Amino acid sequence: NAGVTQTPKFQVLKTGQSMTLQCAQDMNHEYMSWYRQDPGMGLRLIHYSVGAGITDQGEVPNGYNVSRSTTEDFPLRLLSAAPSQTSVYFCASSQLSGSGETQYFGPGTRLLVL
Amino acid sequence: EDQVTQSPEALRLQEGESSSLNCSYTVSGLRGLFWYRQDPGKGPEFLFTLYSAGEEKEKERLKATLTKKESFLHITAPKPEDSATYLCAVHATSSGTYKYIFGTGTRLKVLA
Repeated sequence: NAGVTQTPKFQVLKTGQSMTLQCAQDMNHEYMSWYRQDPGMGLRLIHYSVGAGITDQGEVPNGYNVSRSTTEDFPLRLLSAAPSQTSVYFCASSQLSGSGETQYFGPGTRLLVL
Repeated sequence: EDQVTQSPEALRLQEGESSSLNCSYTVSGLRGLFWYRQDPGKGPEFLFTLYSAGEEKEKERLKATLTKKESFLHITAPKPEDSATYLCAVHATSSGTYKYIFGTGTRLKVLA
């Protein structure tokens, strides 16, 4: 299993450009989430999904869109990039097992918005 | 307001010097408390989930405990490879909303 994969690893954008951060998991997990991590702050939840076709907002959803057309993929779209969106973005997936919820994170995408 | 606070922010230990990291939380609708390890430039790596006060879990030199207001991550006889940032998070639901709130982490450095 590859686990949770994210592409690209690093991206530079100009203010106003749009892009999609890709996330895929091969563990058949129902739950998938996107977080951003900024210095001095904890990871903050952007959007999440509890299954294909179902998404909801997290703590900091403004400026981002998501969709979940398949169990495996959960892309994050930046509609019009702003310097405040410079961050490291992590995708995660979760399963509910007999021993409790286990959450797996991808390696992250480092985004710089100029 | 839902909040997760970790202390200390940073900790330096000599190899073999045991210590504890603290995670205090205020949240309604707690469903679980999680500990992760994060190495520089990488995503968080899952360590433990705790669900109820009094619960304890162990993995190698790490032991996590939970009370109604806080959790501790005890590190026994640490080694240099235990150096990392340790993150605490709580999972809560309220009126059908899914919350996952992280602390800012404790940066642990273990010296040989």
